[in-house]
Amino acid sequence: GQSLEQPSEVTAVEGAIVQINCTYQTSGFYGLSWYQQHDGGAPTFLSYNALDGLEETGRFSSFLSRSDSYGYLLLQELQMKDSASYFCAVRDLERGGKLIFGQGTELSVKP
Amino acid sequence: DTGVSQDPRHKITKRGQNVTFRCDPISEHNRLYWYRQTLGQGPEFLTYFQNEAQLEKSRLLSDRFSAERPKGSFSTLEIQRTEQGDSAMYLCASSLDQGSYGYTFGSGTRLTVV
Repeated sequence: GQSLEQPSEVTAVEGAIVQINCTYQTSGFYGLSWYQQHDGGAPTFLSYNALDGLEETGRFSSFLSRSDSYGYLLLQELQMKDSASYFCAVRDLERGGKLIFGQGTELSVKP
Repeated sequence: DTGVSQDPRHKITKRGQNVTFRCDPISEHNRLYWYRQTLGQGPEFLTYFQNEAQLEKSRLLSDRFSAERPKGSFSTLEIQRTEQGDSAMYLCASSLDQGSYGYTFGSGTRLTVV
């Protein structure tokens, strides 16, 4: 089976940098994804890492270490609008490749 | 394309009633997924379709739940004899094949069973 662990909540101030960690256990691995969800909104895709290393997309970066079964999402120059829940997700390779999501990290950005 | 649409946005029903939700995916996407989300939790997989074929149904899903995607386009999720524990946000998502470049989610249907 698959399981993911991420912190339940993180607080940071505007303009700061925050890192949201995710560790996973899977029977097979095919990439780590990150999604953002604002209160009452739909989860939206942020990034996907299939290989080790850092992927940068604007203020957001995502890192993967397959040997450590670990990844993180890095948010720079935090803005109030970044307050949201962030989910890491892996594929369930045994059964069709659907995404399995972590419990989510609630990020609160303070002024 | 306006993305994934779900209808209704909110549904309040009495325990024991049947409810049906609709999802219209992105037209080019051949895969459609249903997830359920409760407060403070991540989306929990329910079932998915590739075109019109339902390829997997979660073991967590009781026989009261059924989903269809009759022509490989829109999908419906029906819950029979609703229970209070069914109260949740029901999310639909679509992707092209396995969705290596992400799923597109709809805004969900919030179900409240009273």
